[in-house]
Amino acid sequence: AQSVSQHNHHVILSEAASLELGCNYSYGGTVNLFWYVQYPGQHLQLLLKYFSGDPLVKGIKGFEAEFIKSKFSFNLRKPSVQWSDTAEYFCAVNAPFSGGYNKLIFGAGTRLAVHP
Amino acid sequence: GAVVSQHPSRVICKSGTSVKIECRSLDFQATTMFWYRQFPKKSLMLMATSNEGSKATYEQGVEKDKFLINHASLTLSTLTVTSAHPEDSSFYICSARDQGRGVTETQYFGPGTRLLVL
Repeated sequence: AQSVSQHNHHVILSEAASLELGCNYSYGGTVNLFWYVQYPGQHLQLLLKYFSGDPLVKGIKGFEAEFIKSKFSFNLRKPSVQWSDTAEYFCAVNAPFSGGYNKLIFGAGTRLAVHP
Repeated sequence: GAVVSQHPSRVICKSGTSVKIECRSLDFQATTMFWYRQFPKKSLMLMATSNEGSKATYEQGVEKDKFLINHASLTLSTLTVTSAHPEDSSFYICSARDQGRGVTETQYFGPGTRLLVL
């Protein structure tokens, strides 16, 4: 069955440190890839997405992600985190499933805490 | 950007009662809406796909008679938790796909509804 794996459940960083959150998926066909962020007490917001083209995508707030097809990965990066980046980050994959429709499958999420 | 609202944001009910949650796309039309459930410190679990004008498609293990979904218009889908029990307490989130932006798979999420069944 299709699945999405996020390797780190909890990450603690100091401000200005670099961030990389891993995401791997299991689906051999064409996929759409997303990173969503959920700030404390708020709803999910789209950080960035990959549909096709340049595998290095840039999103909001200085985040970027690289799609590596051979590794089935879509890791999220930020060169220098801020305290305001404290949130939960979800990787998601949209792929066709049986029944002829697409659905979004989420990873378990990574809780990031940034200390000043 | 596209905005999705949910109502109510929080509801407390007695065991055995039914609760209706509304999901609206405010500035776009959504042929397809999705209902998710999020457990504490867990990821989102897709419950069902709501299709305007037709029956919802439920994920394996989700009781369709328990979680009634109605998608009567292009901007509104409702989820009714029937005969709610304490184990139904959870955070329910809807999302909608903006059909007007072409064949995009981007989903926009509502703020969620926290249900507590006593």
